[in-house]
Amino acid sequence: QKEVEQDPGPLSVPEGAIVSLNCTYSNSAFQYFMWYRQYSRKGPELLMYTYSSGNKEDGRFTAQVDKSSKYISLFIRDSQPSDSATYLCAMSAGAQKLVFGQGTRLTINP
Amino acid sequence: GAVVSQHPSRVICKSGTSVKIECRSLDFQATTMFWYRQFPKQSLMLMATSNEGSKATYEQGVEKDKFLINHASLTLSTLTVTSAHPEDSSFYICSARDLLGRGGTDTQYFGPGTRLTVL
Repeated sequence: QKEVEQDPGPLSVPEGAIVSLNCTYSNSAFQYFMWYRQYSRKGPELLMYTYSSGNKEDGRFTAQVDKSSKYISLFIRDSQPSDSATYLCAMSAGAQKLVFGQGTRLTINP
Repeated sequence: GAVVSQHPSRVICKSGTSVKIECRSLDFQATTMFWYRQFPKQSLMLMATSNEGSKATYEQGVEKDKFLINHASLTLSTLTVTSAHPEDSSFYICSARDLLGRGGTDTQYFGPGTRLTVL
């Protein structure tokens, strides 16, 4: 079993829809949670950072962490074609290394 | 802020030659940088962790003599692929952690990547 599980998709939704991306994990020591967006042939770009459980909102993006369920989510409101990318969840236990999910390929259709 | 650059963005070389890739943190200092490899439609595979002024720590299965890493300053790390072969063709991405911890604990800022093609 992988430490971090993420559905690779692909996920295709119409423009304006709310998108929900999720990851589950098995290591209860993880405390720091991140979401990265990666466009094709580019490096990942940090979208959201969350420490421990709770919600965090930044514009159209909301990150949720439920440590009791070992489950994290990223919500995208009013999705745009420019949001089409691969979204990677990443997490760590404060030991420098990040453990990444497989990435979910998302396409927003105009 | 938190910009990481990589050079070159793309390189094509002949089998048997060596290729050096540079990773620079442009607006912050980084004691720790990371090197990843990514295959098409797959996630990032950590190759090694590079700490300024000390030897890199390689992940299991990564040949340290083939992938030489040097982290000579707080803003520069280099990856040299020695005696490159076609199977080394891949997308190589570096990342850096801010010395001051901006962005949160363990947050890494990634470069744009280098596409290596070995003929």
